[in-house]
Amino acid sequence: DSGVTQTPKHLITATGQRVTLRCSPRSGDLSVYWYQQSLDQGLQFLIQYYNGEERAKGNILERFSAQQFPDLHSELNLSSLELGDSALYFCASSKRQDLNTEAFFGQGTRLTVV
Amino acid sequence: AQSVTQLGSHVSVSEGALVLLRCNYSSSVPPYLFWYVQYPNQGLQLLLKYTSAATLVKGINGFEAEFKKSETSFHLTKPSAHMSDAAEYFCAVSTMNTGFQKLVFGTGTRLLVSP
Repeated sequence: DSGVTQTPKHLITATGQRVTLRCSPRSGDLSVYWYQQSLDQGLQFLIQYYNGEERAKGNILERFSAQQFPDLHSELNLSSLELGDSALYFCASSKRQDLNTEAFFGQGTRLTVV
Repeated sequence: AQSVTQLGSHVSVSEGALVLLRCNYSSSVPPYLFWYVQYPNQGLQLLLKYTSAATLVKGINGFEAEFKKSETSFHLTKPSAHMSDAAEYFCAVSTMNTGFQKLVFGTGTRLLVSP
């Protein structure tokens, strides 16, 4: 158990809908990262928050947004969903920002858009 | 920009055989490199990391990796494969983005272990 909790584990929704994925980082970790894993794109970095503030953006679509709350949990909001958004979404957390800092990953939320 | 390349999307070995998963990096500065493993329906778990303290890094489950600057490589090895090693393995490099650290992953190598 990495200590990172993601809910829900599975989500099935229709095209055009909006969903919210939730992540609770490890105790004491200030950084939260979101990754998308799909068969054709591999593991793609989406966005990073540090102590409540957005710090880095990767290949995140405008239809997607995220936030980190004062208690450090984070939510990833996906709207106007398309079939191609079906993927495994991972949250990871880390304590520091050093280059040798490893990230700890949750078990992911599998999103299926039908 | 820093990146990693994993050669071979699939590697098949027999149980008891040597495991070799390849990773080459591209970096203009000394890199910090990681290997993660993903078991079916699981998140990613850190196997080991290279942080310049030693070129041969030992990780969990009997895996190790050797950093070779001259070859820009960080290949993952295990002397004897076990059925439980069947998983997907990701090499990653740590990079700074707008002053904050993030990991850039390779495309992954799926390890298949046959009896």
